[in-house]
Amino acid sequence: AQSVTQLDSHVSVSEGTPVLLRCNYSSSYSPSLFWYVQHPNKGLQLLLKYTSAATLVKGINGFEAEFKKSETSFHLTKPSAHMSDAAEYFCVVSDTGGFKTIFGAGTRLFVKA
Amino acid sequence: DAGITQSPRHKVTETGTPVTLRCHQTENHRYMYWYRQDPGHGLRLIHYSYGVKDTDKGEVSDGYSVSRSKTEDFLLTLESATSSQTSVYFCAITTDSYDGYTFGSGTRLTVV
Repeated sequence: AQSVTQLDSHVSVSEGTPVLLRCNYSSSYSPSLFWYVQHPNKGLQLLLKYTSAATLVKGINGFEAEFKKSETSFHLTKPSAHMSDAAEYFCVVSDTGGFKTIFGAGTRLFVKA
Repeated sequence: DAGITQSPRHKVTETGTPVTLRCHQTENHRYMYWYRQDPGHGLRLIHYSYGVKDTDKGEVSDGYSVSRSKTEDFLLTLESATSSQTSVYFCAITTDSYDGYTFGSGTRLTVV
């Protein structure tokens, strides 16, 4: 069975400070992991993905995530937040073939000027 | 997103009426999906398709049906709309290697 938990429903940071969005997962097999971003009234956009290659994954817009098997975590980070990063972020776990995909409930990121 | 469009973007309908949402892709992908998004629930899979006339149910398929007569089009039908089906509906596509979804812009459906 698979599950994904986003540990914070809301995160607020100041512009220029680091961003950390936390995601824990459980999976009975080697999972594929993804982060998506959704800006208001838009569809979801793929930020980055982990598919059993390098454990540190770099994505678009300066985001990256590290796969930690021992901690079953896949936290999303960015060194310096920008106002345009304000959005909702979804952590997603899937089996390799994509037949079973589970979305987290989402974390809304607020960026203060 | 480029390569995938949904129509309509917004729709208000009355309880008990049938509603069809359309997803159109120009990427020639086999895999297409319908999700609904509700506050606090993330995205939940309604139905998916792995080829023309090949479809299967997701976790919240009750009250919904789908059809795929062409590679590029995946239709979602609410046979008799209910207020619980008020939601934002997203279509998604992915490649055979499943390297992540490309989503459409969504359809906001309100059932009154």
